[in-house]
Amino acid sequence: QQQVKQSPQSLIVQKGGIPIINCAYENTAFDYFPWYQQFPGKGPALLIAIRPDVSEKKEGRFTISFNKSAKQFSLHIMDSQPGDSATYFCAATKYGGSQGNLIFGKGTKLSVKP
Amino acid sequence: GAGVSQSPSNKVTEKGKDVELRCDPISGHTALYWYRQSLGQGLEFLIYFQGNSAPDKSGLPSDRFSAERTGGSVSTLTIQRTQQEDSAVYLCASSFRANEKLFFGSGTQLSVL
Repeated sequence: QQQVKQSPQSLIVQKGGIPIINCAYENTAFDYFPWYQQFPGKGPALLIAIRPDVSEKKEGRFTISFNKSAKQFSLHIMDSQPGDSATYFCAATKYGGSQGNLIFGKGTKLSVKP
Repeated sequence: GAGVSQSPSNKVTEKGKDVELRCDPISGHTALYWYRQSLGQGLEFLIYFQGNSAPDKSGLPSDRFSAERTGGSVSTLTIQRTQQEDSAVYLCASSFRANEKLFFGSGTQLSVL
């Protein structure tokens, strides 16, 4: 009920490619789905987030697609650049809930080759 | 400060010793979280503080782990009788309100020899 399953574990693309990272959740009470980006030696930083009232959210080259019925969401990175090489974590929780347990996926290590 | 500050950035200790890890959250943030990140693994929730409410300790892996938050600000994570499997990066985060945008520190790399 509390898991967030993320795939793939690692991903290599060429510059300009469109890497896609997928996540699935189980708890139907979750209504906030953020993605965090982590560079080596740094803590994760919020990249983009979506609420289930929309099926897609775009910020710059980053897009989240959300499928409520399938309980799945994904991150697409358009025109990927070597600087996008990082580990990406999806997460899910009840927005503004009293419990602070933001459930993270296990992460996807993305490498963008020049 | 401008962000979440954690100290020390690196800690090497011997098996069986106690360690204390410190977190200074962003001023005004009411929620504070501790996560653990093992090599190649995801972010494992440890404990969560929200205002003056009782902390959510549901993620603490054993009774060797404890944390406190003094004055609604600084937090200390204590690991007693450290074991080699405790080696990991310990990340602290804070947010203005619960389950909103988390701001993470750079973490403390703990190595238990």
